[in-house]
Amino acid sequence: QSVLTQPPSASGTPGQRVTISCSGSSSNIGNNYVYWYQQLPGTAPKLLIYRNNQRPSGVPDRFSGSKSGTSASLAISGLRSEDEADYYCAAWDDSLSGWVFGGGTKLTVL
Amino acid sequence: EVQLVESGGGLVQPGGSLRLSCAASGFTFSDHYMDWVRQAPGKGLEWVGRTRNKANSYTTEYAASVKGRFTISRDDSKNSLYLQMNSLKTEDTAVYYCTRDARSGSYPDYWGQGTLVTVSS
Repeated sequence: QSVLTQPPSASGTPGQRVTISCSGSSSNIGNNYVYWYQQLPGTAPKLLIYRNNQRPSGVPDRFSGSKSGTSASLAISGLRSEDEADYYCAAWDDSLSGWVFGGGTKLTVL
Repeated sequence: EVQLVESGGGLVQPGGSLRLSCAASGFTFSDHYMDWVRQAPGKGLEWVGRTRNKANSYTTEYAASVKGRFTISRDDSKNSLYLQMNSLKTEDTAVYYCTRDARSGSYPDYWGQGTLVTVSS
């Protein structure tokens, strides 16, 4: 069982907006930044969002992140076929003194 | 361009040992914390451990699942990160990724392509 909770799957049609949730606790999301990673099939994870809502250079502004209390969410607008991937949330956990990840959400573009 | 290249994966019997390496380039390796993250086949990501930089005394931290069995080290003169894995269990079977932590915030911002470790008899 992952420390952070994500829905196992999400889907949408091209052009739609989808959101992926990530739930944690006061020792991780509640007290630290949230990060999101995208893992395309057969590849290594790639940083998508850092410090709750910041995008690294090169990441389209279709991707956005937010955090409230002990939960966070990733929103993808203008969905495209190339967005089909696994998405993971992550946060530092003060109690465990380590990084914790969500179980991942498989996004399908219908 | 930041590059992280892992090597050393392979098939090992339960109870055996293996040492993974990660060759870093394209950035000042000695400035950065480095982590190992693993992914079991068809599963999610699991943080293995971290080594801080020289300014922070090269301190290390480990996930409870590997503490006492795995050791992370680094050689700044060779721009290399290592993961010594002892007393391997079947549940350690995974792709092991080397990650660089950003200088501002110490979060994994670059990942290697991973190396597969299979623990099986």
